[in-house]
Amino acid sequence: SQQGEEDPQALSIQEGENATMNCSYKTSINNLQWYRQNSGRGLVHLILIRSNEREKHSGRLRVTLDTSKKSSSLLITASRAADTASYFCATDASQKLVFGQGTRLTINP
Amino acid sequence: DTAVSQTPKYLVTQMGNDKSIKCEQNLGHDTMYWYKQDSKKFLKIMFSYNNKELIINETVPNRFSPKSPDKAHLNLHINSLELGDSAVYFCASSQYTSYEQYFGPGTRLTVT
Repeated sequence: SQQGEEDPQALSIQEGENATMNCSYKTSINNLQWYRQNSGRGLVHLILIRSNEREKHSGRLRVTLDTSKKSSSLLITASRAADTASYFCATDASQKLVFGQGTRLTINP
Repeated sequence: DTAVSQTPKYLVTQMGNDKSIKCEQNLGHDTMYWYKQDSKKFLKIMFSYNNKELIINETVPNRFSPKSPDKAHLNLHINSLELGDSAVYFCASSQYTSYEQYFGPGTRLTVT
């Protein structure tokens, strides 16, 4: 069964606003990763957070991980039109990554 | 300079045909993968290879056969194509399993 589930499925905000996406998973993990997929393209790795980390930053991205709640969030600050894409969380399980169905983020100018 | 490349980008074919998708990575990674992304954007792993050895086969029909001639290449051959095989297929690679993965641009397969 699916390991990661993103919430919301779709998010539409104005340029400049912050966007928050959540991911819940079911089993213990070694790490959790976030990927971005632009329309018609392959996935691009954004950030990896290990199970012993609680928060990680990369540019305008901030990821948190709560292993007790089996959840993670991705915050994109000061959103730009170029951030329009689908965002996926992925958890490692038995030598593979299991992806959620993604959050479709639309940034309106 | 492309890290992970796939050919072809688009593939339109009829039911019953056999087709192949090729993948190459120039990152020096030991592990390569094939994923299938359906119309709802759900991405599911099909196979993974480590140093030319199959390590994951996710209950994929026998009509799908991966082949890894060397650790930089992982090809996917599909026999007797069915309508339900229509999807986008992504190749990916990583240095180790569970590390960040680098994806190819995808191959959109349409079976008519």
